[in-house]
Amino acid sequence: DQQVKQNSPSLSVQEGRISILNCDYTNSMFDYFLWYKKYPAEGPTFLISISSIKDKNEDGRFTVFLNKSAKHLSLHIVPSQPGDSAVYFCAASAGEGGSEKLVFGKGTKLTVNP
Amino acid sequence: DAMVIQNPRYQVTQFGKPVTLSCSQTLNHNVMYWYQQKSSQAPKLLFHYYDKDFNNEADTPDNFQSRRPNTSFCFLDIRSPGLGDAAMYLCATSRGRTDTQYFGPGTRLTVL
Repeated sequence: DQQVKQNSPSLSVQEGRISILNCDYTNSMFDYFLWYKKYPAEGPTFLISISSIKDKNEDGRFTVFLNKSAKHLSLHIVPSQPGDSAVYFCAASAGEGGSEKLVFGKGTKLTVNP
Repeated sequence: DAMVIQNPRYQVTQFGKPVTLSCSQTLNHNVMYWYQQKSSQAPKLLFHYYDKDFNNEADTPDNFQSRRPNTSFCFLDIRSPGLGDAAMYLCATSRGRTDTQYFGPGTRLTVL
């Protein structure tokens, strides 16, 4: 039973455009959400996070939006660059705002075309 | 550079033959995690250590064991690997339980 779902296995966008990656969750106890980026032959690297007390967090070209009522979060990358091509994992935890015991989605492979 | 190192990067073993995967870290983090990621699946937490305190996930098979002899090293032992244990094994560390997790590059295990 998947508690964190990334329903799009892949996404392709043009360089300079916006990339929107989506994530849904089912466990209402989750209170902290993270996005990790993974290049081939490397481990996942932390990208951005958001606490359930917020609905938006921004870091440069990356913005994460959280809609608690819909149990949905999204990662916006704007403008997208070819170097953003990677697999993006959504993760959630119920660790009192922390990242212990992360539950991951299956990932979305983003391809940014020059 | 401070980092999480996993050795070997690729491991081939035979069905039923014990295998050990290694993880080391230069970050001096208190918490070390082991995840299993099968093809096209989400990484799944197997267990974690907070210092010497071992925390096993309820659905982690008994076939999987772990050791943490010191702060820097953590090992994953698979006592009798089955074909279903073929996966990428990811090690991660964090300063504390609620801090960001930093991942190693993973060890891809093949079981013949």
